[in-house]
Amino acid sequence: KNQVEQSPQSLIILEGKNCTLQCNYTVSPFSNLRWYKQDTGRGPVSLTIMTFSENTKSNGRYTATLDADTKQSSLHITASQLSDSASYICVVSANSNYQLIWGAGTKLIIKP
Amino acid sequence: SAVISQKPSRDICQRGTSLTIQCQVDSQVTMMFWYRQQPGQSLTLIATANQGSEATYESGFVIDKFPISRPNLTFSTLTVSNMSPEDSSIYLCSVEVPGGRRNTIYFGEGSWLTVV
Repeated sequence: KNQVEQSPQSLIILEGKNCTLQCNYTVSPFSNLRWYKQDTGRGPVSLTIMTFSENTKSNGRYTATLDADTKQSSLHITASQLSDSASYICVVSANSNYQLIWGAGTKLIIKP
Repeated sequence: SAVISQKPSRDICQRGTSLTIQCQVDSQVTMMFWYRQQPGQSLTLIATANQGSEATYESGFVIDKFPISRPNLTFSTLTVSNMSPEDSSIYLCSVEVPGGRRNTIYFGEGSWLTVV
């Protein structure tokens, strides 16, 4: 069964600190993996997208990694800001881009 | 890229009524998707809406409850019919812009419905 699991479920860190969010998936055949940021009550916004051959992708203070062998991805946030408070969702595409398997997300809270 | 406008952004609806959500895209797109996100949950795909054909519904969603229109390549509507409190959710319109294996998916801001 195609599944995407994220951890932790929620995370609270102080402003300025770094953090890493995890995504494990059992999706086959794998097409690509995306990380989204979703503010409360808003639509998701794309952060990164990685295909099978890519190990890392950066977008500003966000760096995503992908290990296709172990089927794991991480999202590292550097020097966190209050505006980083949001849910971060890992999404894996199976076979084609039209079949998306969504993780439940990690709720990140940045405290001043 | 694609910019998606959704209306309404929020609404409070009476039980038993229906509400139509509009999704306008600033460019022509083939595939449009409608998602639901219930409180504290991840996104669930309701249906795929292609212009010129019937929408394709996912398991658990039916046309009578969620009729969809797709009159052209830039516009779609989703109606939530005979609403109950369980329909209180954010409804999101999404489009996919081709790019090989890197098709980019864009989302609207969402329509936050509360059914009372």
